[in-house]
Formats: sequence, C-alpha cells, structure tokens
Amino acid sequence: QKEVEQDPGPLSVPEGAIVSLNCTYSNSAFQYFMWYRQYSRKGPELLMYTYSSGNKEDGRFTAQVDKSSKYISLFIRDSQPSDSATYLCAMRGQGAQKLVFGQGTRLTINP
Amino acid sequence: DARVTQTPRDKVTEMGQEVTMRCQPILGHNTVFWYRQTMMQGLELLAYFRNRAPLDDSGMPKDRFSAEMPDATLATLKIQPSEPRDSAVYFCASGSWGGRLASYNEQFFGPGTRLTVL
Repeated sequence: QKEVEQDPGPLSVPEGAIVSLNCTYSNSAFQYFMWYRQYSRKGPELLMYTYSSGNKEDGRFTAQVDKSSKYISLFIRDSQPSDSATYLCAMRGQGAQKLVFGQGTRLTINP
Repeated sequence: DARVTQTPRDKVTEMGQEVTMRCQPILGHNTVFWYRQTMMQGLELLAYFRNRAPLDDSGMPKDRFSAEMPDATLATLKIQPSEPRDSAVYFCASGSWGGRLASYNEQFFGPGTRLTVL
C-alpha cells in the first residue's frame, strides 16, 4: 500500500461547479501538505500548502487538512476550463525535504 | 524569470543505448531532485542532492542509473543501458533548503524530458 493514496480519476465536471479533490495518507509524521497543479506537457507547480491541520483559502481554492483522519482535500469554487489539469497532493514530515506524492487526479472542466 | 531548464525535452532511443538528461537548477538553489513520472506509478523520487552532494538515491535502479552534479549549475541523470521500461517523463526540480522559504521548501520543477526507449 502506498503512503499517499489519490484517486487518479479522470474527473470531468461542468464549468462553474465546485470540485473536490482528496488524498489519504498513512504516515502520521507528515506535517506539510501541498497541492501541485500540472498542465499537459509541463512540470508540476505549487498551488497551495498547509502546515499541520486546518484550512487555507486562496481565491477560488481552499485546502483542508484533517490529521486525525489522515485526509486532505482541495476545493475549487466556480471552476473554469483553465483549471483543467492534473492535481497532485504531496506531503512531508518536519525537517524532511523529500516529498511523497499522490498519483495525481486528472481534472477536466467542460465549458 | 528564474526557471529550471531541462534538456532534451524529448528523447527517442533504442534499447541498450546510453541516455543523458541534463538539468540547470535555479541559480542560488542548493537542492536538486530527480523524479520519474509514469501513468502507472505517478511521480517517483529517484535521487536528490544538497550542495552538490548526493543525499539519497534509494529510488534509483543503481545498476543502470547514475546521477551527478558536476557543478552547481548542472545536474545529470544517465541511464546505461536503457530499457523499454525506462520510458517515462523525467523531471528535475530545485529548491532552497534552509533559506527564506524553508518553512515549506517549495520545489520548482522543470518542464521534463520525455524518454521513449524502443
């Protein structure tokens, strides 16, 4: 079993919908949680990060971490076709530099 | 606009040939990572360096893969001999460990090298 599990999708939703992307993990030492966005033929780029539990909001994006359930989420409000990409969760422990990535969820927003 | 650059962008080769991929990290970054991405396995860490010294290469098949940093502006990943199962997209990422952004240590990814071994 992988340390980080993420449903690869694909996920297809209409423009304007609220999108929910999720990851579960098994390592309780993880403290830093990130979401990367990867467009086709590009490298991943950091979208959001959260330290420990809680919520973080940035425009239309909200990241949530529930350490008690070992579950993290990314919500996209008012989704746009330009949000179509693969979204990867990643996490690491305190003092660690190695990131452990989820499989990535391929998301398509239909106009 | 500081970016990680990788060459070549695409490489098609035949089984048994040597493949060399190059990466130029962002100037001033002291940590370099090599990843491999496939549909089946996702993004896997192969190796990483800090201040040009290899810290961890446990994700790399050592019989055929090697990674080096000849200087601070160049990282290389070599496969010799290459096999069809090595077909994947290889990413280089760089970061600044212990720097201003040390709280979450963002890794900046290059555009990747798409390798196809026939």
